[in-house]
Amino acid sequence: EAGVAQSPRYKIIEKRQSVAFWCNPISGHATLYWYQQILGQGPKLLIQFQNNGVVDDSQLPKDRFSAERLKGVDSTLKIQPAKLEDSAVYLCASSLVGRGNYGYTFGSGTRLTVV
Amino acid sequence: AQSVTQLDSQVPVFEEAPVELRCNYSSSVSVYLFWYVQYPNQGLQLLLKYLSGSTLVESINGFEAEFNKSQTSFHLRKPSVHISDTAEYFCAVSAPGRDDKIIFGKGTRLHILP
Repeated sequence: EAGVAQSPRYKIIEKRQSVAFWCNPISGHATLYWYQQILGQGPKLLIQFQNNGVVDDSQLPKDRFSAERLKGVDSTLKIQPAKLEDSAVYLCASSLVGRGNYGYTFGSGTRLTVV
Repeated sequence: AQSVTQLDSQVPVFEEAPVELRCNYSSSVSVYLFWYVQYPNQGLQLLLKYLSGSTLVESINGFEAEFNKSQTSFHLRKPSVHISDTAEYFCAVSAPGRDDKIIFGKGTRLHILP
C-alpha cells in the first residue's frame, strides 16, 4: 500500500511569512495526526482528526497555526505568521479508526526553517 | 496521562559491540509501548511494539526490547550494531482502549564508531 505522502519536503521562509504543508494519508485511514518535531526533541502532537472532525487540538497554537481536513482525506497545516521557534520537522501520520494506539504510519515530514 | 523518559540523549558505541537504549514510562493504566527509528533525513518508522503477550519483542533487523512492568521500563537492545544502525531512536507509549494517541520520548541518538 502507498504510504503517507507529505509535501513539500523542505521549506525556508522568513519570519512573519505564512506557510502551508500538505498531507495525504494511507487510503482508508480515517484518523490523521500532525506532529511537530523540534531539533533535539521528540515529536509533539499538534492536532488529531477523525474523518473531517477535530478530536484533539489542545497543543495547537491557535493564534498562528490552523489545520483542516475538509473532505476527510487530505489535510493541510498552516502557520501564519511564522516565528523563528516554528523551525521544526512537521510530521503527518495516519491510522485506522480506533487503531492509532497500536502504532501508526508516518510520512517523511516537511522540514521548515524560519529565518 | 502517560509519559516517557529516555535517559540518554546520545549513545556512542563501537561497531559490532552491543548496545542498550534505555526507556522508562509512567502511566496509571496499562500501556502499549513502541520503539520508532528515524534515519537521517527520513520520517519515523516503527521498529517494534509491545501490545500484550510475551514481554520480549523483536524487530526484523536484530533489535529486541523487553517490557518490564515492575520497573516500568522498555529498554531496546542489540547484541552487535552496524554502521547502518546510526539513527535516532524514540520510545513511545499509548493507552489501550483510550484515545488513539502516542506519546513520544525525546529520543536517543545512536552513534556507531568505526
